[in-house]
Amino acid sequence: NAGVMQNPRHLVRRRGQEARLRCSPMKGHSHVYWYRQLPEEGLKFMVYLQKENIIDESGMPKERFSAEFPKEGPSILRIQQVVRGDSAAYFCASSSGQPNQPQHFGDGTRLSIL
Amino acid sequence: GESVGLHLPTLSVQEGDNSIINCAYSNSASDYFIWYKQESGKGPQFIIDIRSNMDKRQGQRVTVLLNKTVKHLSLQIAATQPGDSAVYFCAENIQGGSEKLVFGKGMKLTVNP
Repeated sequence: NAGVMQNPRHLVRRRGQEARLRCSPMKGHSHVYWYRQLPEEGLKFMVYLQKENIIDESGMPKERFSAEFPKEGPSILRIQQVVRGDSAAYFCASSSGQPNQPQHFGDGTRLSIL
Repeated sequence: GESVGLHLPTLSVQEGDNSIINCAYSNSASDYFIWYKQESGKGPQFIIDIRSNMDKRQGQRVTVLLNKTVKHLSLQIAATQPGDSAVYFCAENIQGGSEKLVFGKGMKLTVNP
């Protein structure tokens, strides 16, 4: 499967635990984006990364949220000390970074906080 | 018909009809636009894109129209099929900017057989 791969598809955590969401970009893509979607709403940008660099994190909450895209391996979105309000679908997209090329999305991780 | 309620706006059409989904974008500096289709439980799927130096682009059964004067984008689907039932989002982007996509509210399309 050459598409964007996200895992897990569903993740359940209790308040105060940590959540780790993984994203492997489409083959040949080196630009990764994370978005959050609440029910019946559009996607909201969180962070844009290239290998080993955070390019734009203007959509990331100031606390508890972090993201990385290491030289080897998938991109990770990490949420520490989760709260009920973190429940959402988190989508990863990737692109080639070339002008006028669309971002392609994975099928997301549905995070539920008990 | 089209309705706006507390949740997603909804458009209901009959199979075989043409559908038009509209989107008003916010930033006059945006110069690249994309339509995505999202089915339940899945991620957004790319349908068609258009650059700001164009006002129309056609794909297979789909046409996107861009009116920069009024900051309006539309997606036309010809001969709508039940498989077209989904939520449709427009997204805007500023090339050379941060590359983040700004998504519109979304429109739920229901195709009745």
